[in-house]
Amino acid sequence: QSVLTQPPSVSAAPGQKVTISCSGSSSNIGNNYVSWYQQLPGTAPKLLIYENNKRPSGIPDRFSGSKSGTSATLGITGLQTGDEADYYCGTWDSSLSAGVFGSGTKVTVL
Amino acid sequence: EVQLVESGGGLVKPGGSLRLSCAASGFTFSSYNMNWVRQAPGKGLEWVSSISSSSSYIHYADSVKGRFTISRDNAKNSLYLQMNSLRAEDSAVYYCARHLTGYYNVGFDIWGQGTMVTVSS
Repeated sequence: QSVLTQPPSVSAAPGQKVTISCSGSSSNIGNNYVSWYQQLPGTAPKLLIYENNKRPSGIPDRFSGSKSGTSATLGITGLQTGDEADYYCGTWDSSLSAGVFGSGTKVTVL
Repeated sequence: EVQLVESGGGLVKPGGSLRLSCAASGFTFSSYNMNWVRQAPGKGLEWVSSISSSSSYIHYADSVKGRFTISRDNAKNSLYLQMNSLRAEDSAVYYCARHLTGYYNVGFDIWGQGTMVTVSS
């Protein structure tokens, strides 16, 4: 059972927008930065968003992040077939003194 | 090129030990906090351990506390994970990953390709 809750899957047609939620608590999301990762099949995770809403260099602005209270959201606009992957949120949990990841969300492009 | 390369994975019997290594290149290793993250087959990501740039701060997941030890050698640009008393549930691909910013910020910008650990009799 993950500390952070994500929907198992989301889907949309090419060109559309999807959002992925990540729900936590005051000990993790509520008081720490959130990051988002994309993992394509058979590859290592790739950092998409850090510090809630910042994009590393090379990440297109189709990917966006936001945080409100104890929840965070990843948005993907202009959905492409290459965006089909698993997406994970991650943060630090101050009560556990440990890093935590969400259970992951599979994005399907219809 | 900025790169992390893990090694040391393999098949080990329950109760056995294994030492993973992660060789860093292309950046000033001693300036970065580092981590181990694992992923069991078909499962999600699980944070395992973090170590600060000077080894002053170290944290472990409860699932490995007391059995795993993270360490680093900045002179050799290397990160290690000593795994003892291994269990079947420790079977996973183990990734080393570099912190992008602060120690308590789970933003890892560089990842290795992973090394597979299988615990089975």
